[in-house]
Amino acid sequence: DQQVKQNSPSLSVQEGRISILNCDYTNSMFDYFLWYKKYPAEGPTFLISISSIKDKNEDGRFTVFLNKSAKHLSLHIVPSQPGDSAVYFCAARTSGTYKYIFGTGTRLKVLA
Amino acid sequence: DVKVTQSSRYLVKRTGEKVFLECVQDMDHENMFWYRQDPGLGLRLIYFSYDVKMKEKGDIPEGYSVSREKKERFSLILESASTNQTSMYLCASSLQPNYGYTFGSGTRLTIV
Repeated sequence: DQQVKQNSPSLSVQEGRISILNCDYTNSMFDYFLWYKKYPAEGPTFLISISSIKDKNEDGRFTVFLNKSAKHLSLHIVPSQPGDSAVYFCAARTSGTYKYIFGTGTRLKVLA
Repeated sequence: DVKVTQSSRYLVKRTGEKVFLECVQDMDHENMFWYRQDPGLGLRLIYFSYDVKMKEKGDIPEGYSVSREKKERFSLILESASTNQTSMYLCASSLQPNYGYTFGSGTRLTIV
């Protein structure tokens, strides 16, 4: 049973526009969420995080929104750049645990 | 910066072989993890360790074991390799859960 779901396997966006990547989860006990970016043949790199006590966190061009009632997380990238083309994973954990559960990933392609 | 080093980028092994994947981190992190990444399935946790000689099963431990004799090194062992273990294997470490993970570059393992 997939507790963290990314229902869009791929997304294409024009350079300069907004990219919105979505993530849904089923476990209401999740209290901390991360987004990772992964280029081919490299390990994932941490992008941004959000705690369940917040509904928004911003870091430069990247903003993560959390809607706890809907169990929904989204990552906004504004403006999108060709170098943002990668696979994006969301991940979640419950309080007191060390392990994160990852989604299946969304491949973002930013077109120049 | 924390560095997580996986000993091989690409590996080809035969069915039935015992395979060792090595991972070393250089920042004294307590927690280390092994994931595999497969298309459409995202990152799935195989095993993790929160201290030397301590280990816990993840979501898909069958066919694998791990060893953590020293804090900096976490090895994944495929006891008798099978073709369904062909995958990208990712090692990660973390200091605290809210800091997320630092991943290695991955090992692309092919079992023939």
